[in-house]
Amino acid sequence: EAGVVQSPRYKIIEKKQPVAFWCNPISGHNTLYWYRQNLGQGPELLIRYENEEAVDDSQLPKDRFSAERLKGVDSTLKIQPAELGDSAVYLCASSSEGRRGNYGYTFGSGTRLTVV
Amino acid sequence: QKEVEQNSGPLSVPEGAIASLNCTYSDRGSQSFFWYRQYSGKSPELIMFIYSNGDKEDGRFTAQLNKASQYVSLLIRDSQPSDSATYLCAVNVGYGNKLVFGAGTILRVKS
Repeated sequence: EAGVVQSPRYKIIEKKQPVAFWCNPISGHNTLYWYRQNLGQGPELLIRYENEEAVDDSQLPKDRFSAERLKGVDSTLKIQPAELGDSAVYLCASSSEGRRGNYGYTFGSGTRLTVV
Repeated sequence: QKEVEQNSGPLSVPEGAIASLNCTYSDRGSQSFFWYRQYSGKSPELIMFIYSNGDKEDGRFTAQLNKASQYVSLLIRDSQPSDSATYLCAVNVGYGNKLVFGAGTILRVKS
């Protein structure tokens, strides 16, 4: 079974430029998450999708961040314009649910963004 | 108060010893608890989850949950240098499948 696939692995951009990240979840996982992880910190949720619906985007900085999950499969996360403080690892994860709730996420390899 | 708190460490243990990692959480309604391992430069990897009070064992790993004290721990027996990593505690918070992560504890196993 293929895992969660993310691209690109690394991205270096100048501030004020746009950037986009792509994620393909595990087949059959209807829930998809975007997390941001700063150095020395745990991942922080940006947005959660149930199929194609964003059910929790309360921590997404909507002035510059946007996300979409067309057809309930792949997802893209965009930043426009990027700021120096956006430098972080952006993690995509997916999960399936069972009788007792979710059994934990599977993370992709992440995209390390450096804004200069 | 942070929703999920962990001692940042580093926790240093000799090879073969038991490593004990601890986590406290603030949401009394939380029902699901997870431990992830994260090697430097890699993404988090799920190693254990626990739903019920008590202990859950999987190989060298034991997760312990005490909901009354809002405390979850991970024990690693016969620690190996390959166990050296950051261990993230994650708790299911609120409605739906949102996991909130602690900042992680750095574990160093010395040979």
